[in-house]
Amino acid sequence: GALVYQYPRRTICKSGTSMRMECQAVGFQATSVAWYRQSPQKTFELIALSTVNSAIKYEQNFTQEKFPISHPNLSFSSMTVLNAYLEDRGLYLCGARNWGGETLYFGSGTRLTVL
Amino acid sequence: QQKVQQSPESLIVPEGGMASLNCTSSDRNVDYFWWYRQHSGKSPKMLMSIFSNGEKEEGRFTVHLNKASLHTSLHIRDSQPSDSALYLCAASKSNYQLIWGSGTKLIIKP
Repeated sequence: GALVYQYPRRTICKSGTSMRMECQAVGFQATSVAWYRQSPQKTFELIALSTVNSAIKYEQNFTQEKFPISHPNLSFSSMTVLNAYLEDRGLYLCGARNWGGETLYFGSGTRLTVL
Repeated sequence: QQKVQQSPESLIVPEGGMASLNCTSSDRNVDYFWWYRQHSGKSPKMLMSIFSNGEKEEGRFTVHLNKASLHTSLHIRDSQPSDSALYLCAASKSNYQLIWGSGTKLIIKP
């Protein structure tokens, strides 16, 4: 079956440092990968949508300079949170979909704590 | 086995009818439920969320939650063709980890 592995499951970083999270698609080709953030007590916000061989589309309030994303092939995507501060804490989720597929397969999330 | 079970897997409802979708968590450590809608080719968007026992209504959408049984349901009245989508239920734990259901594919027939 189709699975998305996301790691690390949780991470702690010092304020001002950066951390990277990764998603691995298994059993299907991840043509598109969406990255989400759920801040404490809030719902998900879409950070950006990445499609292989296309430009990454960032949502309002999110930038490539802050959340650079790499999507080099059909099975892997990574996102880095640069210069993390308290407001960046929360649960980061990747969702991957294959071309023409309706189902978005989600990873289990990376919980970021910023000290 | 999925810790968040959604039913039915697919549902066909005539335009103007009532669509009812179900979601139950077998993980008792969850405290929030979220309903997401994903239209074909789009990313999922949050539809409604519910944290307390009871009912919450927003327009044509009503969500129920029974915390004792960890069961939530989403009801869409006066269904429109634009409601045709995949509906995802997610349960979150207090540590913000999410557990997702596999979705209900809803088709509204004109």
